Amino acid sequence: SQTIHQWPATLVQPVGSPLSLECTVEGTSNPNLYWYRQAAGRGLQLLFYSVGIGQISSEVPQNLSASRPQDRQFILSSKKLLLSDSGFYLCAWSPNPNYGYTFGSGTRLTVV
Amino acid sequence: AQTVTQSQPEMSVQEAETVTLSCTYDTSESDYYLFWYKQPPSRQMILVIRQEAYKQQNATENRFSVNFQKAAKSFSLKISDSQLGDAAMYFCAYMKTSYDKVIFGPGTSLSVIP
Repeated sequence: SQTIHQWPATLVQPVGSPLSLECTVEGTSNPNLYWYRQAAGRGLQLLFYSVGIGQISSEVPQNLSASRPQDRQFILSSKKLLLSDSGFYLCAWSPNPNYGYTFGSGTRLTVV
Repeated sequence: AQTVTQSQPEMSVQEAETVTLSCTYDTSESDYYLFWYKQPPSRQMILVIRQEAYKQQNATENRFSVNFQKAAKSFSLKISDSQLGDAAMYFCAYMKTSYDKVIFGPGTSLSVIP
């Protein structure tokens, strides 16, 4: 079966520290992968998406970057976190874009 | 650019009653997909229902159904026989056909009163 894993579930990091969030998908190949951020009490903002290894599209210029080193692995990174990077980060994949997304369980990031 | 609007930030419904959540969207496309996602307190996003714009028939999934009005660009979600487990944030979403990004509305927080 196809599953998506996202970790860690919760993260508290000081301002200026690096960040690495990982997302992996099992049971499929060449999935479209997405990173979304959800600020407290707000909707979802698309950050990055990838249609293949090494192919990253950025939606919002910011302090974050993404990489796809393997077919089923999608990583969200930052060299130096800002307070404004706090939020709930969701990874998603689509077996077929027309069928919508399947989301991971999310990472709650608090930058202090 | 496509946008999705949900004009009801919060809604409440009595258990076993019916509630309708509103959604409007803006697009110049004739073919696209619409979705409703549910986000319970656990914050796991769950796909509730999906509608293809070229289909006139409204989608249904058990107690969940939609009223899709293409000309009005309206896509409301009806929840029948509301249950306590339906309490969640509901997001309306749009996706242009052959374009991989899903655009989400701001969400409606639904409370279910016992």
